[in-house]
Amino acid sequence: ILNVEQSPQSLHVQEGDSTNFTCSFPSSNFYALHWYRWETAKSPEALFVMTLNGDEKKKGRISATLNTKEGYSYLYIKGSQPEDSATYLCAFIDRGSTLGRLYFGRGTQLTVWP
Amino acid sequence: DVKVTQSSRYLVKRTGEKVFLECVQDMDHENMFWYRQDPGLGLRLIYFSYDVKMKEKGDIPEGYSVSREKKERFSLILESASTNQTSMYLCASSTRTGGFQPQHFGDGTRLSIL
Repeated sequence: ILNVEQSPQSLHVQEGDSTNFTCSFPSSNFYALHWYRWETAKSPEALFVMTLNGDEKKKGRISATLNTKEGYSYLYIKGSQPEDSATYLCAFIDRGSTLGRLYFGRGTQLTVWP
Repeated sequence: DVKVTQSSRYLVKRTGEKVFLECVQDMDHENMFWYRQDPGLGLRLIYFSYDVKMKEKGDIPEGYSVSREKKERFSLILESASTNQTSMYLCASSTRTGGFQPQHFGDGTRLSIL
């Protein structure tokens, strides 16, 4: 079982604050990294699939960066809104894993207060 | 849009019962996955399948089995339900290219074993 760490475990911010959290993964045998958002009572929704060192992806106010050499990815939310409240999951794919199975971190639970 | 449908949102069963959780996807995906999610533990892979009648154990297969008789359907079976199998169960699917495409999730089944 590969170790994928996410920090912080939970985060409470005020509406309008910008925030970021971290996903750490094994730097050897990197294949891809996924970010998902999981809102309460809904299904996890893919945000980004990142494959190259130095990748930067953006979707509205959310962006992500990737450093495969040191084994981390950052997720940034600019100007947080209450609708951003969710658990954010990262998942690592090892080059040796069969068929793209994901190894998930435990998630960062974000609460945005109005 | 990919649709992954799980047969029940909530299910209550008794210890010792044989329990079937069904998952159907409509996008002709080769890969299908079953996860469970417990507080503080993130998503853990139980089983996955990359083709009809093919299956691979994930990280926590004990007490579970799976069936994939048709490409679109992947069933999770609790052979003799126990209280420690009370959990949220999520099904997902993806293309065979695996890691470079996201997984698509169902809404989850919250299973309680009494």
